Amino acid sequence: SQTIHQWPATLVQPVGSPLSLECTVEGTSNPNLYWYRQAAGRGLQLLFYSVGIGQISSEVPQNLSASRPQDRQFILSSKKLLLSDSGFYLCAWAAGTSADTQYFGPGTRLTVL
Amino acid sequence: AQSVTQLGSHVSVSEGALVLLRCNYSSSVPPYLFWYVQYPNQGLQLLLKYTTGATLVKGINGFEAEFKKSETSFHLTKPSAHMSDAAEYFCAVSAAGNKLTFGGGTRVLVKP
Repeated sequence: SQTIHQWPATLVQPVGSPLSLECTVEGTSNPNLYWYRQAAGRGLQLLFYSVGIGQISSEVPQNLSASRPQDRQFILSSKKLLLSDSGFYLCAWAAGTSADTQYFGPGTRLTVL
Repeated sequence: AQSVTQLGSHVSVSEGALVLLRCNYSSSVPPYLFWYVQYPNQGLQLLLKYTTGATLVKGINGFEAEFKKSETSFHLTKPSAHMSDAAEYFCAVSAAGNKLTFGGGTRVLVKP
């Protein structure tokens, strides 16, 4: 069966510090991968998605970036965090068509102080 | 373009009462529709989905939803609420491009 992992589970970072969140999927090959953010009062916002290694699409311009160095690894990064980057970050994977379910990881709670 | 509207950001129900969460969508192509549930500080878990075929879809935990194309709706129901149903519920639509568009979510409070 497939499993999706995210780490760390929680993170407190000062403004201006770098960020690296990691997501890995087990039990499947060539998944579509997604990064979402939940901020208070703003629902679920799609940040990035990837259909293959090195292929990243950005949905929202901001100071975040994403990379996919391996088939089942998806990384969310920032060089300098802003207060507005605080939120709950969720990674998801799907098999690859519009009808396929997206399966979500447990999330990372990021607080920027 | 596609969009999802969930009526009511908060719903309060008594234990044992009907749960009804409303979802309306817009999509330029035949949609695939999903309901997810999120418990505090956890990821989203799929409750049910509609792709093709039978318009009444049964999911986990006693929930079901009916796809009504004429009303562009996909409302979620459960006949009898349980305390464990307290959570946030998200409706989502997927059309072209393997991306989901989510509604704003409805937080359900269950009163004993």
